[in-house]
Amino acid sequence: NAGVTQTPKFRVLKTGQSMTLLCAQDMNHEYMYWYRQDPGMGLRLIHYSVGEGTTAKGEVPDGYNVSRLKKQNFLLGLESAAPSQTSVYFCASSYGQVPTYEQYFGPGTRLTVT
Amino acid sequence: GENVEQHPSTLSVQEGDSAVIKCTYSDSASNYFPWYKQELGKRPQLIIDIRSNVGEKKDQRIAVTLNKTAKHFSLHITETQPEDSAVYFCAASTSGTYKYIFGTGTRLKVLA
Repeated sequence: NAGVTQTPKFRVLKTGQSMTLLCAQDMNHEYMYWYRQDPGMGLRLIHYSVGEGTTAKGEVPDGYNVSRLKKQNFLLGLESAAPSQTSVYFCASSYGQVPTYEQYFGPGTRLTVT
Repeated sequence: GENVEQHPSTLSVQEGDSAVIKCTYSDSASNYFPWYKQELGKRPQLIIDIRSNVGEKKDQRIAVTLNKTAKHFSLHITETQPEDSAVYFCAASTSGTYKYIFGTGTRLKVLA
């Protein structure tokens, strides 16, 4: 059981470039989340999904898109990266609706946009 | 909007002393309050949580208290050890909203 994994672990982008972050979970979890973590800001929800084929906006969705084509995968896309998107990105998943079910976090992706 | 304030942002204690971290939430509908520990370069991990129908919960050296009237909840760590050094995050959630609102984190340093 790998739990929640994220690819890649580190990435450096130039302004305007695009990239996709992959989150995968092998726990058959229905719910998946993308957060960003910035110094002094805590974790902020970008987008989330309550099931395969569904996505919804969180607190800070601008500049990001997501897709949940398969239950086990949740992709976060940056179409045109900006320096303000420099952050650590965490994916999380839960079997059911919080707070009844615990959220499990992935190891994080450190993204730098120059 | 909803927010969770967390204090202090940094906390240094001597090994064996107690540490207290406090959070205040704004949404009176919040009914679930987890605490996460994040070691340097690692993922956040749930260490303890409390629901709004309970005033206090303990798990060995850690405890959480909740004051619903004042919208405060606190994490208490007793007999601190160097391995307790980490960043601690509080969060608040409301059933049916699918999300947590996180505090800004407290960096705890336990000095040997």
